[in-house]
Amino acid sequence: DTEVTQTPKHLVMGMTNKKSLKCEQHMGHRAMYWYKQKAKKPPELMFVYSYEKLSINESVPSRFSPECPNSSLLNLHLHALQPEDSALYLCASSQGRGQFSNQPQHFGDGTRLSIL
Amino acid sequence: ILNVEQSPQSLHVQEGDSTNFTCSFPSSNFYALHWYRWETAKSPEALFVMTLNGDEKKKGRISATLNTKEGYSYLYIKGSQPEDSATYLCAFRMDSSYKLIFGSGTRLLVRP
Repeated sequence: DTEVTQTPKHLVMGMTNKKSLKCEQHMGHRAMYWYKQKAKKPPELMFVYSYEKLSINESVPSRFSPECPNSSLLNLHLHALQPEDSALYLCASSQGRGQFSNQPQHFGDGTRLSIL
Repeated sequence: ILNVEQSPQSLHVQEGDSTNFTCSFPSSNFYALHWYRWETAKSPEALFVMTLNGDEKKKGRISATLNTKEGYSYLYIKGSQPEDSATYLCAFRMDSSYKLIFGSGTRLLVRP
């Protein structure tokens, strides 16, 4: 069982809908990540939160809006998505910076998103 | 644009065969190299984090080596088993930021 929980597992939405992806971990990790993965391509980093502050935004379109309400939760709010945004969205966490900066990332199972 | 290349793209072996694959990354500004195993319908699972040139790490039948001067890492699987079938991803980290750059993976299929 993965220690990073993502919901929902599957999501189908229209281009005018608003929905959210959720990610939760209880390992005490202080860094959390969103990745986008298209078929047969590597995961691409979208956002990183470090100690609940947005640390990296990889020039992601504003129709994706991340939120980190507390150290255990990470959300990705979706609005007015395009068909090309259909992909697997992976959440990950890691311990944090300093002496923990070279710890591995722990991934969830992902949300499979389809935009109609 | 930083490039992380993995070869081969896919590999079919018989149960009991030993196998290895390669991850190539930029040899400048090295910080760390990660290996992950990703089974179908599951989440990527961390295998190794390697930071020092000449590092060798081992986990059961899987081992990895690192050459930061020439920019490559090898992953070895000894006596492959069907349960080793998965995509093996490497990911390069160039600095103390959190950013990992993933390769496209090597898809391994072990036939019984």
